[in-house]
Amino acid sequence: DIQMTQSPSSLSASVGDRVTITCQASQDIRTYLNWYQQKPGKAPKVLIYDASNLETGVPSRFSGSGSGTDFSFTISSLQPEDIATYYCQQYDNLPLRFGQGTRLEIK
Amino acid sequence: QVQLQESGPGLVKPSGTLSLTCAVSGDSISSNYWWSWVRQPPGKGLEWIGEIYHSGTTNYNPSLKSRVTVSVDKSKNHFSLKLSSVTAADTAVYYCASSARLAGGGSYSAVIDYWGQGTLVTVSS
Repeated sequence: DIQMTQSPSSLSASVGDRVTITCQASQDIRTYLNWYQQKPGKAPKVLIYDASNLETGVPSRFSGSGSGTDFSFTISSLQPEDIATYYCQQYDNLPLRFGQGTRLEIK
Repeated sequence: QVQLQESGPGLVKPSGTLSLTCAVSGDSISSNYWWSWVRQPPGKGLEWIGEIYHSGTTNYNPSLKSRVTVSVDKSKNHFSLKLSSVTAADTAVYYCASSARLAGGGSYSAVIDYWGQGTLVTVSS
């Protein structure tokens, strides 16, 4: 199985801050990585697919990059509505696996 | 736009079998999607359980494979999850989901595009 290590597990930042989350795969997954946002009590929603492609309708302040084993997810200017938990997910191989999640809070 | 709705008992006894159904609307279950189950224990992360294609082909998480069955009922446009020999560790919100974007030449899901609202299943006597 491919293991996904996401960091940090939690993050506190101010409105307008640039926020970056990283995700490391235990083996090369090319660019087969997605990023999801999950707000409290809601189902996850995909924001970034294939490592760097912005999902239709998602604000451009969200971005993703990386390939191989190291990936990052960035919010360029944090907004109050971005408070959520973020997960990476690999699909290079089965089983599909998510990172442990990063809980983002407003300082 | 696919819409998904989970249904089933919210309480299951230890050693029993958890059974959930996901009703699909907005498209046919025979369309080119993989139909999945994902769970989330309270306060914890997401775990992919398994998935099925309308042909009946399934993929399962090896960590659960011995206890899981996912099936599809085309006549009712729904799919189902059975998890046997449950313990308290199986207490979670269970989501049904679907993927239109596929990987491995279509042999499994790539992106989970649509999600149900989730249903909490508690394992307790």
